[in-house]
Amino acid sequence: QSVLTQPPSASGTPGQRVTISCSGGSSNIAVQTVNWYQQLPGTAPKLLIYNTNQRPSGVPDRFSGSKSGTSASLAISGLQSEDEADYYCAAWDDNVNDPGVAFGGGTKLTVL
Amino acid sequence: EVQLVESGGALVQPGGSLRLSCEASGFRFATYEMQWVRQAPGKGLEWVSYISSLGYNTFYAQSVKGRFTISRDNAKSSLYLQMNSLRAEDTAFYYCTGVPDNNGNSVPRYWGQGTLVTVSS
Repeated sequence: QSVLTQPPSASGTPGQRVTISCSGGSSNIAVQTVNWYQQLPGTAPKLLIYNTNQRPSGVPDRFSGSKSGTSASLAISGLQSEDEADYYCAAWDDNVNDPGVAFGGGTKLTVL
Repeated sequence: EVQLVESGGALVQPGGSLRLSCEASGFRFATYEMQWVRQAPGKGLEWVSYISSLGYNTFYAQSVKGRFTISRDNAKSSLYLQMNSLRAEDTAFYYCTGVPDNNGNSVPRYWGQGTLVTVSS
């Protein structure tokens, strides 16, 4: 099972705002920034948000990220059909014995 | 433009070995932290291994510790993953990823397209 916890699925209608949560702990999200990735079927993951709330160039401002305590969220406003994809959160985990990147299990977003 | 191109994926028998390579271009490779991330077919992302920009520090997931070795050649702008004692559960797409070492976190920013490793008899 994944170190970070995401809901397995989410859905919304075109134009709607949806949020995807990512729950972690004291050794990862609480003390590290969070990245979010979008993965379309059959393609490699694409960086959507880095350092919790920064968008790479080319990513629409419909996508935004935030963090509070040990949880992070990805918000998508003005939902579009092309947003249907899998979304993953990730953060460095400062576990003393096994440091490394912690990923969420992924959330499949369906646009109804 | 940052480009990461993996190679070396193949069908290999259980217990066998394989070496993956990742050729980087479009950026100063020696200033990037690099990692391998894998994804079994139909499953989520799993972090495999990390190497610091100058190669002094390496970390591994428990699932591969003692079997996989990450390395890099900054002069060749290349990243490697030596995989030994392969198991069926190592079957996955393996992605080469990178992040600038001054980014503030070590989580992947750039991704290659992946190379498929299949472990089966």
